[in-house]
Amino acid sequence: EIVMTQSPATLSVSPGERATLSCRASESVTSSLAWYQQKAGQAPRLLIYGASTRATGIPARFSGSGSGTEFTLTISSLQSEDFAVYYCQQYDTWPPWTFGQGTKVEIK
Amino acid sequence: EVQLVESGGGLVQPGGSLRLSCAASGFTFSSYWMHWVRQAPGKGLVWVARINSDGGDTTHADSVRGRFTISRDNAKNTLYLQMNSLRAEDTAVYYCARDYKYYFDSWGQGTLVTVSS
Repeated sequence: EIVMTQSPATLSVSPGERATLSCRASESVTSSLAWYQQKAGQAPRLLIYGASTRATGIPARFSGSGSGTEFTLTISSLQSEDFAVYYCQQYDTWPPWTFGQGTKVEIK
Repeated sequence: EVQLVESGGGLVQPGGSLRLSCAASGFTFSSYWMHWVRQAPGKGLVWVARINSDGGDTTHADSVRGRFTISRDNAKNTLYLQMNSLRAEDTAVYYCARDYKYYFDSWGQGTLVTVSS
């Protein structure tokens, strides 16, 4: 099973600032990496797939990068609606499909 | 618009059974793999089970294999999760999700399952 590790667990950021979230895989997942956003009390929403492709309707301030075992999600200028928990997921080797433990982006 | 609506959650005693449903609309349900993903209170996302488009092939997580069964009825555009021998650690919100090239592009709003005496 591929283990996904996200860091940091919590990120405190002021509105308008940049946020950088990291995700590491225990072995290579090539570019088969997705990012999801989950707001409190809501279902997850797909943000990024293929490590760097934004899903339909996702603003350009969200960007993904990386390949192999190291990945980054960057939010260029945090808006109030971006404060949420973010999960990475690998879909290179399955089953199982595996998620990171999440990074909470909170208001500083 | 893709819509996934889960139902069937509730309070059940340890050892009991429950069947979850996920009603799909806005897309050709029979063309897509589908998944169940769960989230225990205050915890992260955990994949539970997957079914292929015609229902002939299924995969379950080790933690639920032998107790849970994923199935689908393409004529009714509905996905199911039959949960037997429920344990306290199965308490979670259960989401159905659509598979698009192995990542999950659409999610339902979830249904809460609580296993407690």
